[in-house]
Amino acid sequence: GESVGLHLPTLSVQEGDNSIINCAYSNSASDYFIWYKQESGKGPQFIIDIRSNMDKRQGQRVTVLLNKTVKHLSLQIAATQPGDSAVYFCAENMMDDKIIFGKGTRLHILP
Amino acid sequence: DARVTQTPRHKVTEMGQEVTMRCQPILGHNTVFWYRQTMMQGLELLAYFRNRAPLDDSGMPKDRFSAEMPDATLATLKIQPSEPRDSAVYFCASGSRNTIYFGEGSWLTVV
Repeated sequence: GESVGLHLPTLSVQEGDNSIINCAYSNSASDYFIWYKQESGKGPQFIIDIRSNMDKRQGQRVTVLLNKTVKHLSLQIAATQPGDSAVYFCAENMMDDKIIFGKGTRLHILP
Repeated sequence: DARVTQTPRHKVTEMGQEVTMRCQPILGHNTVFWYRQTMMQGLELLAYFRNRAPLDDSGMPKDRFSAEMPDATLATLKIQPSEPRDSAVYFCASGSRNTIYFGEGSWLTVV
């Protein structure tokens, strides 16, 4: 039968605006979280990480927020640029370094 | 510039043939992961190793897939016999503390 592609949530953002990508994780025992960016035809690239004993971490133009109470993670990208167009994945490091990925969000930049 | 190297980058094979994918992890990394990415399932963890010992291969179809690390510089993922439903991108990733870094993937098509 005909296969149906995975429908990725898509976030469309005007160039220059801030982007916020959200992620819900599954395991309350996970102690480390990572955001990856995947451009078309390439492997996922590390962006930023955060330990479970923190609630915020900043990098260059990116900020990750962690809310353990509701098991929610977000990635904020400041002043979004065309080069930010990609699929973004959150990942959680579960017990024993097992790293599991979420489904991903496609970020689309509007000119 | 240290990176994970995967071969082959692209492979088209006929159903029933054996496929072997190879990965050279980043020197010094002691954990190695194999993931499969499809439109339907996203990034699925197939197996991972620490210090060359398999820790978890529960995500892998045991009847046809096998993963090994013959030495610290080589990880292999073998499919025998291959089936059309195995068509996907197979990623290897390696890491040493929490965060992992991906190769560019092996794009497999089974016809």
